[in-house]
Amino acid sequence: DAKTTQPPSMDCAEGRAANLPCNHSTISGNEYVYWYRQIHSQGPQYIIHGLKNNETNEMASLIITEDRKSSTLILPHATLRDTAVYYCIVLYYSGGGADGLTFGKGTHLIIQP
Amino acid sequence: DAGVIQSPRHEVTEMGQEVTLRCKPISGHNSLFWYRQTMMRGLELLIYFNNNVPIDDSGMPEDRFSAKMPNASFSTLKIQPSEPRDSAVYFCASTLRDRVKTQYFGPGTRLLVL
Repeated sequence: DAKTTQPPSMDCAEGRAANLPCNHSTISGNEYVYWYRQIHSQGPQYIIHGLKNNETNEMASLIITEDRKSSTLILPHATLRDTAVYYCIVLYYSGGGADGLTFGKGTHLIIQP
Repeated sequence: DAGVIQSPRHEVTEMGQEVTLRCKPISGHNSLFWYRQTMMRGLELLIYFNNNVPIDDSGMPEDRFSAKMPNASFSTLKIQPSEPRDSAVYFCASTLRDRVKTQYFGPGTRLLVL
């Protein structure tokens, strides 16, 4: 699986959009970009994933560059409950199989009141 | 849905004792994963099962660790004998082997080996 690079920490004001970058310059054609987050003392939580098109769900938006070498997770109106470590993971889509996740160090997002 | 259930939530034991962690995946899910989280090493995949069959156990640290999945609704991770360096939070996750492959994590078991 391709490696990812994320900033170790970021701050964002409550109510503003939080934009979390991720570099995955060695991503291959069959690899998806997944985002998970881990709130303190809880298990990781799935946020969103995509292949090459931008994606949006009730939690966030995912913007993937045209060359797929980087992506940005956007939390449109951050709240204090969004304070967490955010993990960008590249995962090979192997048809019907399920594969374990390789977590990096992630970005510790701190939402400031 | 109750989500992934893990027990116990906290475990304190002495070095040399056997420790058994338990996991009940979400009903209908056919893949189950065990992860370990420490400050030093972060989140690491230990082993995963597809349809109750172990697929990849390359992350299991050593022979003291073993995992079983006797049926689709139950899995155990056993450490025998336990050592202080095994102290960590152990997470279980489950997923459908479908196109999305979203993993749902349990609340974790905090293990402290004295």
